[in-house]
Amino acid sequence: AQTVTQSQPEMSVQEAETVTLSCTYDTSENNYYLFWYKQPPSRQMILVIRQEAYKQQNATENRFSVNFQKAAKSFSLKISDSQLGDTAMYFCAFITNQAGTALIFGKGTTLSVSS
Amino acid sequence: EAGVAQSPRYKIIEKRQSVAFWCNPISGHATLYWYQQILGQGPKLLIQFQNNGVVDDSQLPKDRFSAERLKGVDSTLKIQPAKLEDSAVYLCASSLVSGFGYTFGSGTRLTVV
Repeated sequence: AQTVTQSQPEMSVQEAETVTLSCTYDTSENNYYLFWYKQPPSRQMILVIRQEAYKQQNATENRFSVNFQKAAKSFSLKISDSQLGDTAMYFCAFITNQAGTALIFGKGTTLSVSS
Repeated sequence: EAGVAQSPRYKIIEKRQSVAFWCNPISGHATLYWYQQILGQGPKLLIQFQNNGVVDDSQLPKDRFSAERLKGVDSTLKIQPAKLEDSAVYLCASSLVSGFGYTFGSGTRLTVV
């Protein structure tokens, strides 16, 4: 069975600083996708960034980037130049490319950005 | 493009009562998912539909939870009777192709007292 583990329940950072959220996963599959989602108090799940397992290059999206270590099954999210609007819960998620599968989520990390 | 619509946004019921949640996915999305998100945890898949057929309901507590997706569009999730531990946010999501391009609704927050 696939699992996703986020070991940091809470993180705090000052505006403009950089923060890294950790995620590890377990799977026997070779082809899969990894995601980071942001969930603000509005409860809306917002896709932050996506990584295909077959790509060696780490994905980047503006201030957000990942460090994907396939052999270590590690997928961390780096947020640069943190902003107050980044305050939210962040979930790491995993899915295989097999038909009929669904996203599996970690327990989340609550990120607080202060001024 | 309209998003995934869910209603109600909030619901408070007493234990042993019944409750139903409604989801209208993005037009044309064949796959629909219901997730349960207990406070402080990540979403857990309850059931996945492909059109109006069930793909995975292995984590749905079938003694009290039921779900249907009529005509492969809207879906309802029902709890009968509710327990205190059912207090959670119920998220609906849809995707064009199974597993990709998920779009989530804003969820229904259920409180069972």
